[in-house]
Amino acid sequence: ILNVEQSPQSLHVQEGDSTNFTCSFPSSNFYALHWYRWETAKSPEALFVMTLNGDEKKKGRISATLNTKEGYSYLYIKGSQPEDSATYLCAFHTGGFKTIFGAGTRLFVKA
Amino acid sequence: NAGVTQTPKFQVLKTGQSMTLQCAQDMNHEYMSWYRQDPGMGLRLIHYSVGAGITDQGEVPNGYNVSRSTTEDFPLRLLSAAPSQTSVYFCASSYSRGSYNSPLHFGNGTRLTVT
Repeated sequence: ILNVEQSPQSLHVQEGDSTNFTCSFPSSNFYALHWYRWETAKSPEALFVMTLNGDEKKKGRISATLNTKEGYSYLYIKGSQPEDSATYLCAFHTGGFKTIFGAGTRLFVKA
Repeated sequence: NAGVTQTPKFQVLKTGQSMTLQCAQDMNHEYMSWYRQDPGMGLRLIHYSVGAGITDQGEVPNGYNVSRSTTEDFPLRLLSAAPSQTSVYFCASSYSRGSYNSPLHFGNGTRLTVT
């Protein structure tokens, strides 16, 4: 059974803090890693699709890196804002048609 | 552009009842899938489809049926509801059959309670 782990489970930061969280996945049979942002009462929305070892992606204050050889990806948020409060999900693809999701990191940003 | 539309938003069933959760997408996506979300767990794949007429099982398919008669629609049927099926259900679609290089687009979810 493929396992995707996200840490921490939850995180409380102050407005303006920079933060990061981790997604760990199997290092074999890697095809892609996706990051999603999931706000309360909404549905998950895609942030990044990462396919190559060493990939770095950026969208505004949010960025992500990928290490497929050791099986991890980091998501960074620079200068957190209250509107960044959400659950951040990573999803691992092995090239088949199944996506394995982590349980998510829930971020709370206090103004 | 509606994207992925799920109905209903909420449903309460009694044990043993059956029902169908509807999912439709208007993006001409080949890949469609159903997930369930339970507290403390990641989204778990129930069934998926890579095109009209083609469906397959995910991680947790027991107690659920699907069909894909058109590209647009992918209904999920609960055959005989059980309390263990109380969950939030999400339908998601993706442009590519392999789905790995295209992100998933999610519906707004259906909160199902089985008493």
